[in-house]
Amino acid sequence: EPEVTQTPSHQVTQMGQEVILRCVPISNHLYFYWYRQILGQKVEFLVSFYNNEISEKSEIFDDQFSVERPDGSNFTLKIRSTKLEDSAMYFCASGEGQVYTEAFFGQGTRLTVV
Amino acid sequence: GDSVTQMEGPVTLSEEAFLTINCTYTATGYPSLFWYVQYPGEGLQLLLKATKADDKGSNKGFEATYRKETTSFHLEKGSVQVSDSAVYFCALLSNFGNEKLTFGTGTRLTIIP
Repeated sequence: EPEVTQTPSHQVTQMGQEVILRCVPISNHLYFYWYRQILGQKVEFLVSFYNNEISEKSEIFDDQFSVERPDGSNFTLKIRSTKLEDSAMYFCASGEGQVYTEAFFGQGTRLTVV
Repeated sequence: GDSVTQMEGPVTLSEEAFLTINCTYTATGYPSLFWYVQYPGEGLQLLLKATKADDKGSNKGFEATYRKETTSFHLEKGSVQVSDSAVYFCALLSNFGNEKLTFGTGTRLTIIP
């Protein structure tokens, strides 16, 4: 069964460093997403991406964040200068893009900023 | 905007007990509704879904019925097992343009033998 794959599973980084979280979505999907879950809190939408551009983003997704699909298969989330409060589980998801289809989630990358 | 209100946890039940986790929603139009489950140390997995009013989603003994009149999508299971211990998230997908899921806060369920 096709699945969304995320790497690494856990990343520890120092405050102020840049991190790139990687995702390989399901191959025929057209919509891509990043969500995050701060420990003990709800899953929050960060950004959606379609046709090589951001289609929607939340207020969390400020200038420190960026996404790209550099090679047609990977989908990356970059945090330019990490802060302690960026520590969270980051989930990538992909979807077919049609109404009433659900997003398929990856296993997540746990980012710890120290 | 869209929102999901979910029963606060944590919930602790004995094995073989009946489970209900309440979920109500606010959305324009006719959203799709989902339950996701997060087992310890793992990511989000789709448990079940319903795409229109009166649809019943079911999987692994869990069920939820899309009730438009009460804007609810309560999760139920007749006899829970220790392996059902996890965090359960109710979510909706709006059918108005965007494709983002809106999640509830999650309910931590612990089943004791």
